Amino acid sequence: KAGVTQTPRYLIKTRGQQVTLSCSPISGHRSVSWYQQTPGQGLQFLFEYFSETQRNKGNFPGRFSGRQFSNSRSEMNVSTLELGDSALYLCASSTRQGAYEQYFGPGTRLTVT
Amino acid sequence: GENVEQHPSTLSVQEGDSAVIKCTYSDSASNYFPWYKQELGKGPQLIIDIRSNVGEKKDQRIAVTLNKTAKHFSLHITETQPEDSAVYFCAAGEDNAGAGSYQLTFGKGTKLSVIP
Repeated sequence: KAGVTQTPRYLIKTRGQQVTLSCSPISGHRSVSWYQQTPGQGLQFLFEYFSETQRNKGNFPGRFSGRQFSNSRSEMNVSTLELGDSALYLCASSTRQGAYEQYFGPGTRLTVT
Repeated sequence: GENVEQHPSTLSVQEGDSAVIKCTYSDSASNYFPWYKQELGKGPQLIIDIRSNVGEKKDQRIAVTLNKTAKHFSLHITETQPEDSAVYFCAAGEDNAGAGSYQLTFGKGTKLSVIP
């Protein structure tokens, strides 16, 4: 079974721009969670989607948003990029929502200049 | 909310020795405790998990123990090999069969180096 895929793998953006990241979960998985990973803060939860609905949200500003499609694929959008948004963005999929077995993709490395 | 503390932040062991990583959590409602291994340039990989109704779980050279009273859990790796070198993360969360909206809270990670 194919794993979680994320595109693009690397991205360089300028302050003030917006960016959209994509995540395709493992086949049959309906939950997708997004995390931001930085050296200083570690892995921080952004939000979780299940059945096209946001079920849970972490402590991030409204510039961070997401959505999930009927095929469970998910996108994450960051508007008005700041230098501090530079990070590895990881998505994880699971068969059901909540704190359960989550399988991570390789991540998208976002650099904001 | 949940808070997870992980120690040590770095750990060096000789090949063949054992490695132990410890985590504490704050929310007594947490009942699911996974461990992840992250190699350079890759996403975290789930290596073992334990639930609060179990005190210990083993999978070959890896074991996890849980002390729910003290709110701490540990990862034990025996007979370490160079390919065990990676960053290991513990996490805690409340799994209620998907009925609620709970997420995993992660520790800050332990960089394990196995010296040949």
